[in-house]
Amino acid sequence: IAGITQAPTSQILAAGRRMTLRCTQDMRHNAMYWYRQDLGLGLRLIHYSNTAGTTGKGEVPDGYSVSRANTDDFPLTLASAVPSQTSVYFCASSDSGSSGANVLTFGAGSRLTVL
Amino acid sequence: AQSVTQLDSQVPVFEEAPVELRCNYSSSVSVYLFWYVQYPNQGLQLLLKYLSGSTLVKGINGFEAEFNKSQTSFHLRKPSVHISDTAEYFCAVSDQGAQKLVFGQGTRLTINP
Repeated sequence: IAGITQAPTSQILAAGRRMTLRCTQDMRHNAMYWYRQDLGLGLRLIHYSNTAGTTGKGEVPDGYSVSRANTDDFPLTLASAVPSQTSVYFCASSDSGSSGANVLTFGAGSRLTVL
Repeated sequence: AQSVTQLDSQVPVFEEAPVELRCNYSSSVSVYLFWYVQYPNQGLQLLLKYLSGSTLVKGINGFEAEFNKSQTSFHLRKPSVHISDTAEYFCAVSDQGAQKLVFGQGTRLTINP
């Protein structure tokens, strides 16, 4: 089934540890995104990539890094996790197509708890 | 810069009653507007979108939304809700030609039998 795969589904992590959340899409979408979801704050954009080889900062990029070596993969790395990074992380992708509109397809999410 | 405000964080309604979830946005340019739904423990799914043309757009599961440019609103409606509509609903906006989507804070819809 075409879509986005995120891993791990859930993870508990000690503060100060390094963590990479994986995201793979098989739809050949150009753009990919990482959002975090927190109660009362909705979804906030962390980083994005308009095409392979390029990345950009979103609304809340501090403490996170991304890479886009190819079209399909867009990993999110927390170099040194802190408790405020406890959240649910969603990867998404989009292909604007003929309409030019940015319709996102989301993964199922990765729940991260930093202790 | 764009922003989205969902005026209600929680909306409880009885089954088969009508519901309206409110969304207002701010942007200095023409926009695309979206509603996404998130069922418990799942990712977000597109419910409907406004790109251009008719201001009344219909989506999945009997939902519809009306784009009102003068009021900068994009309220979501359903004439009769079901228990299965229990979910969190997110309004989102992007400037036309832009890649980034800005989301509202979400509205939790709870359906009571």
